[in-house]
Amino acid sequence: DQQVKQNSPSLSVQEGRISILNCDYTNSMFDYFLWYKKYPAEGPTFLISISSIKDKNEDGRFTVFLNKSAKHLSLHIVPSQPGDSAVYFCAAVVGKLTFGTGTRLTIIP
Amino acid sequence: EPEVTQTPSHQVTQMGQEVILRCVPISNHLYFYWYRQILGQKVEFLVSFYNNEISEKSEIFDDQFSVERPDGSNFTLKIRSTKLEDSAMYFCASREGVWNQPQHFGDGTRLSIL
Repeated sequence: DQQVKQNSPSLSVQEGRISILNCDYTNSMFDYFLWYKKYPAEGPTFLISISSIKDKNEDGRFTVFLNKSAKHLSLHIVPSQPGDSAVYFCAAVVGKLTFGTGTRLTIIP
Repeated sequence: EPEVTQTPSHQVTQMGQEVILRCVPISNHLYFYWYRQILGQKVEFLVSFYNNEISEKSEIFDDQFSVERPDGSNFTLKIRSTKLEDSAMYFCASREGVWNQPQHFGDGTRLSIL
């Protein structure tokens, strides 16, 4: 079941630059999308979300973009900080959460 | 900030034994969930619970699994006869109410079946 895909298992970005994490989905019934951040030995922490009626949502350094026609979601973090180093999961909702496989983001000081 | 709490953080159990994982969701939340993550794999949905009944369950959630909300604060996942392949991180989550609210997760219980 690959309804939500994150094709980049890892990403390294210089501190201060923009981090862009990508996510693709196949199920057009998804109506709500979220990004979670996860540190080792902790649960996923909610970061930002977007409903299917919008194409952009911004919260501080985090912006999520939704392209429904392409079934594509992205998370932009700017400027990137060392504390942003973690695994990032996108997730999509129709009732339950369906998670992607995650992207490990490493911010290089 | 209110949070979801899970106990124990690590549970080691012999194969075939029953195990109960416990969760205290955020107090004003109405929807409750269990997910699991086998090492190296993605987080997978197990079950959702609303208004004292299961609202959705996955194929993983077979007759060996059950959930209960025994009082106004706890939400438990029971595995009746554990198997080696049940070894995973189990995450509890809760959501406030309306559909476009995020689920908030606990830090998980690592279940190790020997």
